Amino acid sequence: EAGVAQSPRYKIIEKRQSVAFWCNPISGHATLYWYQQILGQGPKLLIQFQNNGVVDDSQLPKDRFSAERLKGVDSTLKIQPAKLEDSAVYLCASKITRGYRNTEAFFGQGTRLTVV
Amino acid sequence: TQLLEQSPQFLSIQEGENLTVYCNSSSVFSSLQWYRQEPGEGPVLLVTVVTGGEVKKLKRLTFQFGDARKDSSLHITAAQPGDTGLYLCAGRNAGGTSYGKLTFGQGTILTVHP
Repeated sequence: EAGVAQSPRYKIIEKRQSVAFWCNPISGHATLYWYQQILGQGPKLLIQFQNNGVVDDSQLPKDRFSAERLKGVDSTLKIQPAKLEDSAVYLCASKITRGYRNTEAFFGQGTRLTVV
Repeated sequence: TQLLEQSPQFLSIQEGENLTVYCNSSSVFSSLQWYRQEPGEGPVLLVTVVTGGEVKKLKRLTFQFGDARKDSSLHITAAQPGDTGLYLCAGRNAGGTSYGKLTFGQGTILTVHP
């Protein structure tokens, strides 16, 4: 079974530039997450999708971050304009949804963003 | 926002030693998960504990969920260099508007020296 695919793996941009990350979840996984992981910290949830609808975006800095999952499959996360503090690894994860039962979330390898 | 505090943040030990990592919160979780993350990779699930007081074993790793479902521990016996990595605990919200949301601790960086 193919895992969660993310691209690019690495990205270096200057502050105030824009950047976009792409995620292809595991086939059939309705739930998709974007996490931000700053070096030395645990992942922080940015946004959670259920199919193409947003379930939780309470920690997404909406003045500069946006995310979409138009067809309920692939998702993109955009930062515009980027700040130095956005330097982090951006992780995408997906899982099957079975009501409120615990199911495992599978993570991609992440995109390491460096803002200079 | 429910917070998870992990301790210690860093752990450097010799091969063969035992260690325990703690994960504490003032909030109740419906379940708690432990992940291991290697550099350049995403977190990989090790175990999920659901019931208060539950103990699960995975080879040399022992996971325990507190009776009140607010805390957990990971114990590694006879650590090996291959155990080196970032260990993350993550709690799943038990109720409210954020039901099911997974909140991560800040992680414990474990280094096992040969």
